[in-house]
Formats: sequence, C-alpha cells, structure tokens
Amino acid sequence: SQKIEQNSEALNIQEGKTATLTCNYTNYSPAYLQWYRQDPGRGPVFLLLIRENEKEKRKERLKVTFDTTLKQSLFHITASQPADSATYLCALSDSWGKFQFGAGTQVVVTP
Amino acid sequence: DTAVSQTPKYLVTQMGNDKSIKCEQNLGHDTMYWYKQDSKKFLKIMFSYNNKELIINETVPNRFSPKSPDKAHLNLHINSLELGDSAVYFCASSQQGNEAFFGQGTRLTVV
Repeated sequence: SQKIEQNSEALNIQEGKTATLTCNYTNYSPAYLQWYRQDPGRGPVFLLLIRENEKEKRKERLKVTFDTTLKQSLFHITASQPADSATYLCALSDSWGKFQFGAGTQVVVTP
Repeated sequence: DTAVSQTPKYLVTQMGNDKSIKCEQNLGHDTMYWYKQDSKKFLKIMFSYNNKELIINETVPNRFSPKSPDKAHLNLHINSLELGDSAVYFCASSQQGNEAFFGQGTRLTVV
C-alpha cells in the first residue's frame, strides 16, 4: 500500500539555523511532490511544488529537493524565524488530482 | 475574496442527527476534495470530485455522502452521526494535481 512518512517527532531549532524535514514514500510514482504549512486551527497552506523530473526548487528561504530514486524529499527552511513555527505537511499528487498527505512534522523555532 | 469557503466553521450536534457542511470555491478549479483531520492531525482524503464526477471515494462509511451541484460546489452530508465522526473536515480544490487550496475547516463535535 502507498505510504508517506514524515518525522513524527517535533523539530526544535534555534532561530537563525536551518531546519531540515524529511518525507519518504513507498509504492507511489507521483507526478508532483508538494509541501504545505499548517497552523493550529487553520487549513494547510501551499508552499512549494516540485515535479518528478525536477531535482530542486527554491522560494525565498525555502528549498525542496526531490530524489525519485530514493523516493525522498527534503524540505529546508534557512535562517529560521519563530514565525516559521508550524506543522509542515508533505503531499504527493498525480495529474488526475489525487492527493495523499503525510502526517506532518511540527517545527518549533525558539528565539 | 476567500478562494475556498466552507460553512459552518463549528458544528456541535447530538449522536444520530444528520448534518451538512457546504463548500464553495471561486478559483475555477476542476477538482474538489473533502478531507478529515482527526485528533492525531492526520489529514485523510475522503472524496474527490472532478467536474462534478466522483473520482475518489476512499473507505468511508456510506453515512457520508458528497454532493456536487456544479464544479464550484462540493457539499458533504452526514447521516446518523456517531461520536467517532468528531474531527475537523476540510474542503479543498486544485487544478490537475497542482497546488491545493484549503478552506478554513469545519470542527464537528458529536456529543
């Protein structure tokens, strides 16, 4: 069966450092891999999308890598700030519009 | 203008009741979804509609019935509510598996 795994333990990090989150998947050939941010009491908000034929994507302080051989994506937040504290969700989707989300990793950035 | 709006935001009801949650998107997307997020924060897909047609129907009790009167609306009707139905329900939309936009969520509490 298809599985998406993210670190279940919260990631505690000091302000200014780089946070790195991992998303591993099995039994899936996604067209897209996406990362979302979710704050308490709110719906997930899209951050970045990377296609199966892309290796890396950047947006401001965010960077995503995608290794379809390892079936893994890494999500980096550089120069982290307390405002980056949230739960980050990895999602796989195909061109038919089917999404599957990981359980998310909570990031806590302390001043 | 809110891209994906769902109502109500909070819903408290007794076991055995029937309730509906409404969702509308003004993004012109072809695909709409219903997700359930339980107490462990796992976001699980329930249904997906593409151009008013059901394309994904995960293992969900048949007490849950989605209705899509047009491609901008996807409502969720729940019959004979049970305690285990208590969760946050999110509506979302996307275009061909690209970034998904989520509503604010409906926190359903069954007492």
